[in-house]
Amino acid sequence: QAGLTQPPSVSKGLRQTATLTCTGNSNIVGNQGAAWLQQHQGHPPKLLSYRNNNRPSGISERFSASRSGNTASLTITGLQPEDEADYYCSAWDSSLSAWVFGGGTKLTVL
Amino acid sequence: EVQLVESGGGLVQPGGSLRLSCAASGFTFSSYAMHWVRQAPGKGLEYVSAISSNGGSTYYANSVKGRFTISRDNSKNTLYLQMGSLRAEDTAVYYCARPVCSSTSCFPGGYWGQGTLVTVSS
Repeated sequence: QAGLTQPPSVSKGLRQTATLTCTGNSNIVGNQGAAWLQQHQGHPPKLLSYRNNNRPSGISERFSASRSGNTASLTITGLQPEDEADYYCSAWDSSLSAWVFGGGTKLTVL
Repeated sequence: EVQLVESGGGLVQPGGSLRLSCAASGFTFSSYAMHWVRQAPGKGLEYVSAISSNGGSTYYANSVKGRFTISRDNSKNTLYLQMGSLRAEDTAVYYCARPVCSSTSCFPGGYWGQGTLVTVSS
């Protein structure tokens, strides 16, 4: 999947803070920011944040999104066992006129 | 409560066809663009297709252009994806998704169905 790059895996300890990154070019992240989705094994994705840090209702404040230049970040504080999941970033690619996804990061909570 | 329920998946031979449906409830279906996203087994998410709220505009990823057709019936609150000339690489869970919007922007993947598995194999 072209356009958005995420590290394949991140491991952090219980109650620690994890920061997941998503890097794209100026046509993507640098334009309108990114959205973040969480997916547990065997379940559909769940939106955590969009347009950098708009959180849908019901999403914990432990999830916080931000952007610096062409890199979007999702910070998860106070890691819990249920945070272990795959995390995807997504953004509008103006050069393709399409939404694109990153390859996903598998977060392991130790 | 927003609900999206996909159906129509199954096993199909290469070159075959299949029609997926997504039944929507809990919101005014005719007010929203709708989207299809797929996920191959063990792989990431791929944006497949989209249709405007009145069906007048559509989008297709290059990987499915000319083979898939998205449509909707607002009187039945149902989204469709007609899939033709299917290939092994089309094997995936297909999700329909509804946007979520703030005052300034929308994101297509606000609400997701449970998905329906399409397997293309002989």
